[in-house]
Amino acid sequence: AQSVTQLDSHVSVSEGTPVLLRCNYSSSYSPSLFWYVQHPNKGLQLLLKYTSAATLVKGINGFEAEFKKSETSFHLTKPSAHMSDAAEYFCVVSFYSSASKIIFGSGTRLSIRP
Amino acid sequence: EAGVTQFPSHSVIEKGQTVTLRCDPISGHDNLYWYRRVMGKEIKFLLHFVKESKQDESGMPNNRFLAERTGGTYSTLKVQPAELEDSGVYFCASSQAGQDFSYEQYFGPGTRLTVT
Repeated sequence: AQSVTQLDSHVSVSEGTPVLLRCNYSSSYSPSLFWYVQHPNKGLQLLLKYTSAATLVKGINGFEAEFKKSETSFHLTKPSAHMSDAAEYFCVVSFYSSASKIIFGSGTRLSIRP
Repeated sequence: EAGVTQFPSHSVIEKGQTVTLRCDPISGHDNLYWYRRVMGKEIKFLLHFVKESKQDESGMPNNRFLAERTGGTYSTLKVQPAELEDSGVYFCASSQAGQDFSYEQYFGPGTRLTVT
């Protein structure tokens, strides 16, 4: 069965320190993997995506993620957190066959301490 | 370019009433999706339109939910009659033509539905 797990419901870091948001997936197929961010009262915005090209994916706002097949992980990182990064982040897995196979993680709320 | 818009942003209705949510996708996007996030749970797929046709509605919870996409443009999602468990945030998203789900989906801000 396909699934996606975001290991932390809430992460709090100090401004200027690294960010790590963890995501693991389970899939019998070769998935496409995405990270989306949702700021308050806004729609989800795509940060980055992996679609079987380079395993290290760079996204917007300094975020990047590395696809590790052996670990079935797609963790999101940023070297230095900014106050504007405070938001909820979703790891998403999709499968080519059907829209109904789009699976969202439960979300990780990122807080930034000044 | 205008993004995906949803109306209303928030709706509070009583159990048994009817509510209609509207989504206007990005112009020219053939694919339109509805999702729902019930409090404390994951965002779940509801259905997928390609132009005016329902491509996949396997995520619709029951027959109290009816989605339409008139002329392949905007879409409506009607809940009739609403139940308490229908409360949540309803998201709409659109993407360009084709069914490769590596295409980015553009999300609207969501409609928060509260059934009392």
